[in-house]
Amino acid sequence: AQSVSQHNHHVILSEAASLELGCNYSYGGTVNLFWYVQYPGQHLQLLLKYFSGDPLVKGINGFEAEFIKSKFSFNLRKPSVQWSDTAEYFCAVRSNTGKLIFGQGTTLQVKP
Amino acid sequence: DAGITQSPRHKVTETGTPVTLRCHQTENHRYMYWYRQDPGHGLRLIHYSYGVKDTDKGEVSDGYSVSRSKTEDFLLTLESATSSQTSVYFCAISERAGATDTQYFGPGTRLTVL
Repeated sequence: AQSVSQHNHHVILSEAASLELGCNYSYGGTVNLFWYVQYPGQHLQLLLKYFSGDPLVKGINGFEAEFIKSKFSFNLRKPSVQWSDTAEYFCAVRSNTGKLIFGQGTTLQVKP
Repeated sequence: DAGITQSPRHKVTETGTPVTLRCHQTENHRYMYWYRQDPGHGLRLIHYSYGVKDTDKGEVSDGYSVSRSKTEDFLLTLESATSSQTSVYFCAISERAGATDTQYFGPGTRLTVL
């Protein structure tokens, strides 16, 4: 069965620190990849997505992610985090059945 | 934000009680989904709909049923709620289910079953 793994469950950073959240998936075919963010008390919002083309994808609020096919990875990065980035982050892969499969989520806490 | 509302936003109920959650969209999207979110599990698909009266099971469908009588409304019913169904429930919509599909999520319903 296809699966998505997010390695970091809880990350604590100081403001201005760099961020990288890991995401690995298990499907070897053509994939569509997503990062969603859930700010405290809010619903999931799409941060960025990869369907094809340039493997470096830029999203909202300065986030980017790189699709590395050989490593089955789609890591999320931001060079300098802000307190307002405190949220839970979910990686998701569209399976060959067309359904989204989510990772377990990573809680990011940014200290001011 | 996509025009998705969920009602109620919070509900506390007792074991054995039937519960219905409503998802309403104003985007006229064909596809609608129900997920539950639990710590350590991310989001898991319960049921989805690919059109009026067309529904199918997801990963964790046991104990849940759905109905879609109108494009804009997708109902999730717990026939007899159990404590294991305490969770946050999210509705999502998408225009297509193909390679360029993107799902957009509603605000969620926090359900507590005592």
